[in-house]
Amino acid sequence: EAQVTQNPRYLITVTGKKLTVTCSQNMNHEYMSWYRQDPGLGLRQIYYSMNVEVTDKGDVPEGYKVSRKEKRNFPLILESPSPNQTSLYFCASSWYGNTEAFFGQGTRLTVV
Amino acid sequence: EDQVTQSPEALRLQEGESSSLNCSYTVSGLRGLFWYRQDPGKGPEFLFTLYSAGEEKEKERLKATLTKKESFLHITAPKPEDSATYLCAVQAVKAAGNKLTFGGGTRVLVKP
Repeated sequence: EAQVTQNPRYLITVTGKKLTVTCSQNMNHEYMSWYRQDPGLGLRQIYYSMNVEVTDKGDVPEGYKVSRKEKRNFPLILESPSPNQTSLYFCASSWYGNTEAFFGQGTRLTVV
Repeated sequence: EDQVTQSPEALRLQEGESSSLNCSYTVSGLRGLFWYRQDPGKGPEFLFTLYSAGEEKEKERLKATLTKKESFLHITAPKPEDSATYLCAVQAVKAAGNKLTFGGGTRVLVKP
């Protein structure tokens, strides 16, 4: 089954404690992205990757890092989480071009 | 800057009561307009892609249409299982990383 898998689904952490949210896709997609979803602001792109070792900033990259060492995986790293990073995070993948993106189930992160 | 505005924010329908959701957009060259459905606690699920003004697509009780400034998602004779948040997104011709710009969504509740 074609899918994008994120882990964990829920995470509560404290300010400043480094964390990683994993994302894996099994469709051999070139493109992968991270979005955050906040009430009233919709989904906003954090970072994206066009292929292995090719990543770039989206609209709201501050406080986040990513890496793409393998085509299927695209982890999101928060080196020093802060409360304003409390949000619902989605990983997405797609083929190159104007094709639909496939989204993971989401990770609800709370930073206290 | 690309922008997407969806209206209304919320919609309560009786089962069988048809209605339309609006997605107004401004984009610097449209590559595609996407409709997604999002259920509580889940990631967005792809419904349609529209590429040019005048295009229409249908799936069961849903029909999406596109003009140069807006898109409509028509729900005909809705059932309770159509209750969800419907998201509209645009992708610009120059979109880096297949970036999608989302609207805030329309929450639809269909009562039996």
